[in-house]
Amino acid sequence: LAKTTQPISMDSYEGQEVNITCSHNNIATNDYITWYQQFPSQGPRFIIQGYKTKVTNEVASLFIPADRKSSTLSLPRVSLSDTAVYYCLVGDGLYSGGGADGLTFGKGTHLIIQP
Amino acid sequence: GAVVSQHPSRVICKSGTSVKIECRSLDFQATTMFWYRQFPKQSLMLMATSNEGSKATYEQGVEKDKFLINHASLTLSTLTVTSAHPEDSSFYICSARDQGRGKETQYFGPGTRLLVL
Repeated sequence: LAKTTQPISMDSYEGQEVNITCSHNNIATNDYITWYQQFPSQGPRFIIQGYKTKVTNEVASLFIPADRKSSTLSLPRVSLSDTAVYYCLVGDGLYSGGGADGLTFGKGTHLIIQP
Repeated sequence: GAVVSQHPSRVICKSGTSVKIECRSLDFQATTMFWYRQFPKQSLMLMATSNEGSKATYEQGVEKDKFLINHASLTLSTLTVTSAHPEDSSFYICSARDQGRGKETQYFGPGTRLLVL
């Protein structure tokens, strides 16, 4: 599984757009990129998944450059409730970011939103 | 998205007792489920892969005789922590792969907080 590197922590303010970048230099051809959000004492929640270019859903956008060696999770107009740890995962196989295997979590990015 | 439940949400037990944690996929079938453990201020660590109808596969360093896994049906996997000790106190989280609808994503349960006294 490709290793990922994310900032340990980030701070922002309510109403701002937040971009969290993840590096995955050794991403493989079959790898998908998946982002999860985790609140304290809760299981991770799936946010978004992509393979290339741009993916957008109701909560976030995911930008992936042509070389796929990095990806950026974009959270529009964050609120206090977006304070959480965000994990970027890259894996082989199908869409899961892990294929037939369990997921390998890095340290994640602790995002803190202030009023 | 798909829903995964865990029961109990938290449990306190005495050292030496066994604790069973259930993981259920509520609206999809999961031939494969995963069990993770998360210590305070740390990331999730994969413990084992639970396969319906066959033996679980364990990650290196995880004792299979201590953490018994049973995947009895396509919607239920159980993790039993046998002879629990204080160092087993942790947050246990399961996930299940939704292989239906031509898409495969892992969905996580809410976690179970285990405290061994």
